[in-house]
Amino acid sequence: VLAQPPSVSVAPGKTASITCEGNNIGSNSVHWYQQRPGQAPVLLIYYNDDRPSGIPERFSGSKSGNTATLTISRVEAGDEADYYCQLWDSINDQRVFGGGTKLTVL
Amino acid sequence: ELVQSGGGWVQSGGSLTLSCAVSGFSVSNNYMSWVRQAPGKGLEWVSVIYGDGNTYYADSVKGRFTVSRDNANNTLSLQMHSLRPEDTAMYYCARDIIDAFMDDWGQGTMVTVSS
Repeated sequence: VLAQPPSVSVAPGKTASITCEGNNIGSNSVHWYQQRPGQAPVLLIYYNDDRPSGIPERFSGSKSGNTATLTISRVEAGDEADYYCQLWDSINDQRVFGGGTKLTVL
Repeated sequence: ELVQSGGGWVQSGGSLTLSCAVSGFSVSNNYMSWVRQAPGKGLEWVSVIYGDGNTYYADSVKGRFTVSRDNANNTLSLQMHSLRPEDTAMYYCARDIIDAFMDDWGQGTMVTVSS
């Protein structure tokens, strides 16, 4: 189980941090997705802190112990979306998603 | 590009097959996953098919859903049987990078199961 805060609010230009907690995070890579309303998810961060081409540097990922964190710097109105963490449960060969965090830009 | 089709409305206990037509890469050489999202809810992984043909399922669909692929037509399918109202969701196909993340997603197709 991956636990995320249901919602995070931030003012434009500020920094938002979204956490993902789970007992199996320490031994697995964590990935992050952004999902805007009515759209399919988009890969944002993979292998804890790598960014696919085309993703702005404002988006970064980190991991410490059993917590992974997605950080969004200089938040813009267009960043308002749902964000999901995900990892591969190697024991059961299943992919696991966090519950999602709704980012609101004030 | 992943283009999905096959969603729709079905009564509880019925069956439905979803399709995902892939271009730009080969389904036979890639892991492919299905992920669903119930209305107003989060993402839930459903199934994966590996390059060697092995398949894995979420406990919630095991024994009812079957993932397969057609290498000649480069398509992915999800056969869904014994559908329940709780299977109502938007279903997405996605390329699954080996034992890791999903880097390319279809547009989604809605499945509604009525009781």
